[in-house]
Amino acid sequence: EVQLLDSGGALVQPGGSLRLSCAASGFTFSSYVLSWVRQAPGKGLEWVSVISRSGATTYYADSVKGRFTISRDNSQNTLYLRMNSLRDDDTAVYYCARNEFNDYWGQGTRVTVSS
Amino acid sequence: EIVLTQSPGTLSLSPGERATLSCRASQSVSNRYLAWYQQRPGQSPRLLIYGASSRATGIPDRFSGSGSGTDFTLTISRLEPEDFAVYYCHHYGDSPRTFGQGTKVDIK
Repeated sequence: EVQLLDSGGALVQPGGSLRLSCAASGFTFSSYVLSWVRQAPGKGLEWVSVISRSGATTYYADSVKGRFTISRDNSQNTLYLRMNSLRDDDTAVYYCARNEFNDYWGQGTRVTVSS
Repeated sequence: EIVLTQSPGTLSLSPGERATLSCRASQSVSNRYLAWYQQRPGQSPRLLIYGASSRATGIPDRFSGSGSGTDFTLTISRLEPEDFAVYYCHHYGDSPRTFGQGTKVDIK
């Protein structure tokens, strides 16, 4: 059974940093592109970042470029999102998702940026 | 960046009725790399359609997708009670990838 388990969300002050993790199981992790998608409270879905199978290629939404870094550890079947210089508008539930078209999603982890 | 505009914002229908949701792109979506998701309150999104018209594993055949270029449609042939939810389109061909703003299907 394919499973994605998001974790690492927390309450953090503006300007702070956080690292999210997504632990995967039930499939060959290194064979799939992976993404992060977020959803602010009461709002729609926002694509954040995507990483290639090897981790060599990454893309970001303009809203997070230069502040967030996506990475993966194929030996540990884990996806990461390092978030720096956090702002109020980064407050959201963050989901990891598998494949180019996001066929499986994690349960989400909540990030709250507030002083 | 491709902007996806979904319409209508809200669709009020009764169980058993047909739902037609639209997703219009600001420029052509390459290779029909367009997906649709369903999100129920408090749940993660669920993939319904990818490649504009391919149903995801386990998705009932009352859900169908069509379209190409800049105009795409999700059709639910006969609404079941569990289909009342928010639906998003998403292009994944080129980056930055984007989502539409969503269409809420609620009970009339």
